[in-house]
Amino acid sequence: DQQVKQNSPSLSVQEGRISILNCDYTNSMFDYFLWYKKYPAEGPTFLISISSIKDKNEDGRFTVFLNKSAKHLSLHIVPSQPGDSAVYFCAATKGFQKLVFGTGTRLLVSP
Amino acid sequence: ETGVTQSPTHLIKTRGQQVTLRCSSQSGHNTVSWYQQALGQGPQFIFQYYREEENGRGNFPPRFSGLQFPNYSSELNVNALELDDSALYLCASSFSSGGTDTQYFGPGTRLTVL
Repeated sequence: DQQVKQNSPSLSVQEGRISILNCDYTNSMFDYFLWYKKYPAEGPTFLISISSIKDKNEDGRFTVFLNKSAKHLSLHIVPSQPGDSAVYFCAATKGFQKLVFGTGTRLLVSP
Repeated sequence: ETGVTQSPTHLIKTRGQQVTLRCSSQSGHNTVSWYQQALGQGPQFIFQYYREEENGRGNFPPRFSGLQFPNYSSELNVNALELDDSALYLCASSFSSGGTDTQYFGPGTRLTVL
């Protein structure tokens, strides 16, 4: 039972353009959503999060949007930079006991 | 501020053996969670420890066990290793405050079971 889904395994974007990574979830009990970035041979790095009571959270070049009715969230990166090339994981939690992760989207930002 | 560290970095074991993985939590954190990441998958929750007690467990068999020590470091033990246990094992620490307990990950231990 895949409660968190990232349906795009990969995304290619040119430097300076917007990157949009998508995530869908099925469990309406989730109350917090997080995005992590992972480089090869490193652990996931926390990027940005959003509470289920909000619909948008912004931190510099990163913005997360949450659509609760559609059970969908997205991460926008503007402008995209080559250093953003990594695997991005969406995660959801109820009460922060455990994170439920999607399978990840590999982002490639080309110069 | 020291981040989450894990040891060893890589490990090769044979089927049926036992393994212990170690994690030092980030300074000020009191909660440790362990995850297994198989190739091409997202991390899967194994269990969480808070103040030396197990505080939730994922869908993993009892041969996966853990400990948390008074300094909040932690161990993951896996007995009777199987080929499917080959994965990246990630430790994450957080400060449980009843608020936004964001988990911060270590670099992981790559376990190969032959």
